[in-house]
Amino acid sequence: DIQLTQSPSFLSASVGDRVTITCRASQDITNYLAWYQLQPGQAPNLLIYTASTLQTGVPSRFSGSGSGTEFTLTISSLQPEDFATYYCQQLNSYPLTFGGGTKVEIK
Amino acid sequence: QLQLQGSGPGLVKPSETLSLTCTVSGGSVSSSAYYWVWIRQPPGKGLEWIGNIYQSGSTNYNPSLKSRVTISIDTSKNQFSLRLSPVTATDTAVYYCVRQVGQHGLPRTSSGWLSGWFDPWGQGTLVTVSS
Repeated sequence: DIQLTQSPSFLSASVGDRVTITCRASQDITNYLAWYQLQPGQAPNLLIYTASTLQTGVPSRFSGSGSGTEFTLTISSLQPEDFATYYCQQLNSYPLTFGGGTKVEIK
Repeated sequence: QLQLQGSGPGLVKPSETLSLTCTVSGGSVSSSAYYWVWIRQPPGKGLEWIGNIYQSGSTNYNPSLKSRVTISIDTSKNQFSLRLSPVTATDTAVYYCVRQVGQHGLPRTSSGWLSGWFDPWGQGTLVTVSS
């Protein structure tokens, strides 16, 4: 199985900050990666697929980059509604797997 | 707009069977373009893909759960379901029903399962395994 390691696992930031989350894969997954946002009590939300394609309706302050084994999710200017937990997911092979998550909290 | 709503008992006894159903609205489980998926998240832990099903009834399971999982589909009711048996306390989790989306060019298994991402997700159903 492909292992995904996210860092940091916890991040404290302020509204307006630029935030970067990293996801590292245990093997080359080309650009086969997606990012999700999970907020308590809400359905998880797809943000980005194939590493850098923004899902329709997702604000442009979210962006994804990377290929191979290292990927990043960037929030250019953190908004109050962005405080949540973020997960990466690899699309390269079954079983489909997720990273351990990065919780973004208010400083 | 496609919506998924999971339902089922919130409490299951150890060694018994967990059964959940997902009702799809605003779209059809008979669509040839998607897979229908179960994903779970134990309290304080990460997400785990359980398995997926196609409109034909073909299934693809996570090897870690394969011996205990059955996913089925009822196109007449526009629903798909999850059974997990027997359960233990480690199966306590929020269970999500989800649509899997793919596109041309994504990896495919030797048996034909196309990879993909998950969108949209249902709200999630908390199932606690306890006596």
